[in-house]
Amino acid sequence: DAKTTQPNSMESNEEEPVHLPCNHSTISGTDYIHWYRQLPSQGPEYVIHGLTSNVNNRMASLAIAEDRKSSTLILHRATLRDAAVYYCILRDANSGNTPLVFGKGTRLSVIA
Amino acid sequence: KAGVTQTPRYLIKTRGQQVTLSCSPISGHRSVSWYQQTPGQGLQFLFEYFSETQRNKGNFPGRFSGRQFSNSRSEMNVSTLELGDSALYLCASSLGRGRLVTEAFFGQGTRLTVV
Repeated sequence: DAKTTQPNSMESNEEEPVHLPCNHSTISGTDYIHWYRQLPSQGPEYVIHGLTSNVNNRMASLAIAEDRKSSTLILHRATLRDAAVYYCILRDANSGNTPLVFGKGTRLSVIA
Repeated sequence: KAGVTQTPRYLIKTRGQQVTLSCSPISGHRSVSWYQQTPGQGLQFLFEYFSETQRNKGNFPGRFSGRQFSNSRSEMNVSTLELGDSALYLCASSLGRGRLVTEAFFGQGTRLTVV
């Protein structure tokens, strides 16, 4: 699996936008970019995924660079509930149900 | 609909014992994966079951095993427990094993402490 690189930690003020970066310079053409987050004392939860185009859902937006070597998860208005570890994961669409390979992720702190 | 249910939530075992953890996936989901989470190693994949067959396996010793029943419920077993097996064990269910599986749903995990 291609590897991803994320900052260890980030901090945001409540109700401000948050941009969580992820580098994946060795991404292949069939790798989808997935984001999961893990709130304290809970299992990970799916946030969003994309291939080439930017994606939006009720939780977040995913901005993918034109060369696909990096992406950014955007939380439009951070709330205290968004404090979690965010994982950027690549999954090869040609490999069936490949396991999720979690890195260290980015620990997001939200300040009231 | 009900989420992924893992039982028990907490467990304390003694070194050398064995333990069985249970996972009930979301209704209709046929793929169940298990992960181990520790502070030092993070989240690591153990194995995946689909239609009662193990489809993928992570890099764990043979003491770690699992199975899946015809109703998609899954169990994992750890024999001859070691102190290092203390961890949060997470189960995730997915709808299937198609060419692209979009989303995995995780349970809250079973916290295993080995003393």
